[in-house]
Amino acid sequence: DAGITQSPRYKITETGRQVTLMCHQTWSHSYMFWYRQDLGHGLRLIYYSAAADITDKGEVPDGYVVSRSKTENFPLTLESATRSQTSVYFCASTNPLSGGAGGELFFGEGSRLTVL
Amino acid sequence: GENVEQHPSTLSVQEGDSAVIKCTYSDSASNYFPWYKQELGKRPQLIIDIRSNVGEKKDQRIAVTLNKTAKHFSLHITETQPEDSAVYFCAAIAPGNMLTFGGGTRLMVKP
Repeated sequence: DAGITQSPRYKITETGRQVTLMCHQTWSHSYMFWYRQDLGHGLRLIYYSAAADITDKGEVPDGYVVSRSKTENFPLTLESATRSQTSVYFCASTNPLSGGAGGELFFGEGSRLTVL
Repeated sequence: GENVEQHPSTLSVQEGDSAVIKCTYSDSASNYFPWYKQELGKRPQLIIDIRSNVGEKKDQRIAVTLNKTAKHFSLHITETQPEDSAVYFCAAIAPGNMLTFGGGTRLMVKP
């Protein structure tokens, strides 16, 4: 489904370069998330946003920067990529249930990033 | 913060057998427990969820049980089929917090 899209789907870069992964959703979901998926670690939350101009750190935020100037976009930037940031990155969005953020997460297709 | 542990990390069953995946959580305030399935090369997708006011929920061949006292919940898949082969993630969330995922279980169903 085209409700949440990520770009690029595949990216190879070199250590020290800046990389931005884009995420766009068409549902007007208030919450958006960035996860990284590594073998043996499952899905780890990098950053999340509860609404436009509101962002907060997740479990593994170091080395990443996010912004959310519009509800539908939530880009993730690696300011100086390192080999340890080689991973598959998933963007997700949801509308929260009453009392919290526990709604169904809708994931993008993922962006596979390789840092050489 | 919340800590979710998932076992086993890999599970191999024969087609037609049942599969059980177990998760434990640490935050007694957690009240929502979803399960996501991720097929190879695809995005995770919600397959079933349960809230803390319910002990069991069933949807065709899949069911989830919750034991709040012991702080653990389980996914049960009956009559497994090759298309059930995937990575399954459990997760938990407490009010005011973000979803925390378990480490995942790779289920392989042998025809």
